[in-house]
Amino acid sequence: DAGITQSPRHKVTETGTPVTLRCHQTENHRYMYWYRQDPGHGLRLIHYSYGVKDTDKGEVSDGYSVSRSKTEDFLLTLESATSSQTSVYFCATTPSTSGASDTQYFGPGTRLTVL
Amino acid sequence: SQKIEQNSEALNIQEGKTATLTCNYTNYSPAYLQWYRQDPGRGPVFLLLIRENEKEKRKERLKVTFDTTLKQSLFHITASQPADSATYLCALEEYGNKLVFGAGTILRVKS
Repeated sequence: DAGITQSPRHKVTETGTPVTLRCHQTENHRYMYWYRQDPGHGLRLIHYSYGVKDTDKGEVSDGYSVSRSKTEDFLLTLESATSSQTSVYFCATTPSTSGASDTQYFGPGTRLTVL
Repeated sequence: SQKIEQNSEALNIQEGKTATLTCNYTNYSPAYLQWYRQDPGRGPVFLLLIRENEKEKRKERLKVTFDTTLKQSLFHITASQPADSATYLCALEEYGNKLVFGAGTILRVKS
């Protein structure tokens, strides 16, 4: 398994507070992704990164920002959490140098509850 | 963007039977398609990748087919076991080196 960890694994927060989720990988993979998973919607891409300081938006990026200052770390920030952002968040990486045509390796997920 | 349809109803089958899961997509045919398995409380795990020029791919008890005319992939598990019970996700490549995932189908194998 690719060495992908996520922290925290569980978090409960209140509406309006900032939240940062961390994804750490030990595989030196170039591409990293943040998804959210909700019942009936499956995995939806929030943001992804194709290198240090290189990021792009996904399908559901509103209300989220990301940063990647090192190859191994990809941070997802909710600037002002809302109840609609209650979800399970997954980080993924791929060893492909182009990002395409390759499998993605997923972290264990972070369950976020916004009250 | 791609839209993917997987059967939202759980598939319940008896141990030893073949489970067949369906993935339909609506837009352009992707260069490849992937299947993942997800257990409760865990991240998805890659199972198989099939390219558009491949009709069928096998791995042990797993078989995937890819019909670009029908815009459909079928995922088969032969001689199913209770340990195969999980949610199975279909994913298609999208431009910009991204994957689009279906919502998944729950498979329950009863002994």
